[in-house]
Parts: sequence; structure tokens; C-alpha cells
Amino acid sequence: NAGVTQTPKFQVLKTGQSMTLQCAQDMNHNSMYWYRQDPGMGLRLIYYSASEGTTDKGEVPNGYNVSRLNKREFSLRLESAAPSQTSVYFCASTFSFETQYFGPGTRLLVL
Amino acid sequence: QKEVEQDPGPLSVPEGAIVSLNCTYSNSAFQYFMWYRQYSRKGPELLMYTYSSGNKEDGRFTAQVDKSSKYISLFIRDSQPSDSATYLCAMSAAAGGTSYGKLTFGQGTILTVHP
Repeated sequence: NAGVTQTPKFQVLKTGQSMTLQCAQDMNHNSMYWYRQDPGMGLRLIYYSASEGTTDKGEVPNGYNVSRLNKREFSLRLESAAPSQTSVYFCASTFSFETQYFGPGTRLLVL
Repeated sequence: QKEVEQDPGPLSVPEGAIVSLNCTYSNSAFQYFMWYRQYSRKGPELLMYTYSSGNKEDGRFTAQVDKSSKYISLFIRDSQPSDSATYLCAMSAAAGGTSYGKLTFGQGTILTVHP
């Protein structure tokens, strides 16, 4: 039982490049979330998926897209990366939102 | 103004001290209150969860919620070096509210417990 896994662990991009962050969970959770964490800002919700087949915007969705591929997988795509998207990205999943399980994070640097 | 305010610290205490961590919030719709602990370069993990007002105790940890003051606290008794981490408060609205199912986090407080 791996919990929530994220790939890659670390990525360097140039401005304008695209990439997809992958997230998978093996706990049969219905809901999945993408957050970004910046110094002094805490965790901010980018997008979430309450159940398979649905996605909704969070607090900071601009510049991102998501796909809930199936119940296990929820990906985050940056179509044209900007330096402001340099951050640590966390994926989380849950049956009930108050007990979210987080992945280990992806550190992204956009030059 | 942020919906949830948390003093980022850093906070440094000696082993055995009582630690008090606090958050204030402005959204009166918040009904669910959580504390997460995050070790360096790791993902957050749930420490305590409280619904509405009141106290909840789990070992050395006590969570308090005062909805009338829009103020929540986490107390750590007999603090240990292994408690050194960033502590994040998080909140969500009641069912039917626009924030239901979505967590709003504080900025996090960096705690160091030195031997």
C-alpha cells in the first residue's frame, strides 16, 4: 500500500515549456486535490476532483489544467510554464475532505 | 486580508516545554478545523481534527476551537525534538457552503524543539 505517489520528484523547466505532474493513489479514495506550497503562503488549492469524472477550480487555477484519468489518477498540466509557477506541488486524496492524505510532493523550478 | 492567519514563527523552545500554536480566521462558515504536521521536504500529515467548537485531546496534543472568537489553538505538552516540524492549520465550511469540501490553510508555523 503506497498511499499517494507523485512523479516526478523534481523538475527544472524553461519558461514556456509544458509538463504534466502525475499523481496516483491506491486507497480507493473518491476525492483528489492539487495544491501548491510557497514560502509564507501555506498550501493553496489549485484544482480538485470530488469524484471520478468531475473537476473544479480551487483558489489559484490560472495557468493549470487537470485530468481525472480514472479513480486512481489525477494529473496536473502546465501548458506554458512561468517563473511564478516555481513551487512545491502536492497531491492529496481522501474519502472525506477533513482527512486528506498527501503525497511526497514535486519540486518545480521554472527558469 | 487572508481568510486564515497563522503566525509563521519561527518558534524555538526547549525540550519539555508546552507549545501553543494559533490561527485566526474570518469566514464564519468554517465548521471543520484541522491541524497538519509537515516534516522538512515531506507532505503534510493530519494531526488533529475537530468539528465545530470545543476541545479534543490526543496524547500530548490538544486542539481547541473558539468559534465565537474565530480562533483555534494546538497545544503540545512535554514537547520533544521529534516534534520539530511545520504545523499548518486548515479549515473548511459546512455542507452547503461554497468552501465545503475544500480546505483553506494557514501559512504554517515552523517549530524547533531543542534538546
